[in-house]
Amino acid sequence: SQQGEEDPQALSIQEGENATMNCSYKTSINNLQWYRQNSGRGLVHLILIRSNEREKHSGRLRVTLDTSKKSSSLLITASRAADTASYFCALSGSARQLTFGSGTQLTVLP
Amino acid sequence: NAGVTQTPKFQVLKTGQSMTLQCAQDMNHNSMYWYRQDPGMGLRLIYYSASEGTTDKGEVPNGYNVSRLNKREFSLRLESAAPSQTSVYFCASSPAGIYPSGANVLTFGAGSRLTVL
Repeated sequence: SQQGEEDPQALSIQEGENATMNCSYKTSINNLQWYRQNSGRGLVHLILIRSNEREKHSGRLRVTLDTSKKSSSLLITASRAADTASYFCALSGSARQLTFGSGTQLTVLP
Repeated sequence: NAGVTQTPKFQVLKTGQSMTLQCAQDMNHNSMYWYRQDPGMGLRLIYYSASEGTTDKGEVPNGYNVSRLNKREFSLRLESAAPSQTSVYFCASSPAGIYPSGANVLTFGAGSRLTVL
């Protein structure tokens, strides 16, 4: 099964700045999801974008999907210290099970 | 609602010992999953149960067995633990079922940290 690859592996920004992380994949998907994991905790679902959608918003989150480039990006606007976490993309293809990338570690400095 | 509950949270085993990780969900979800998370490797699917009464292998099933005890509970057993099984284990559930009608959004437990010496 395919796995998404997040980029960058680590990102450090100042509070108030925007954070952008990317996910690339190799084969066709039905949908792509983003999850957040705070240190020592389980993953929490953030947002889902279907293969026929190009952009979705949820609060300060904006996700884009470019199926021609097989890539997605997650933008967090006006970052807060509480956004410090690891962010994972998860792919859902024909196999139906989700496969996760290795994540982007975001640190938001106060 | 508690969501997905895993026990134990921490466990230290010696090589060759056996143990069972327990998972229960109270959301009436059909599907349940076990993942392991290792540094730099993301989450890898060990086993899943699309619905009560069914179990299937995931990406890394060797050395593990599972039991879908009922709709709520899905356990993961290590019969003879090895140092390579040192990891953080996550249980998750989703409404999906064998014939999912929508996207498969997972709810995760807090994780079980296992160390095998």
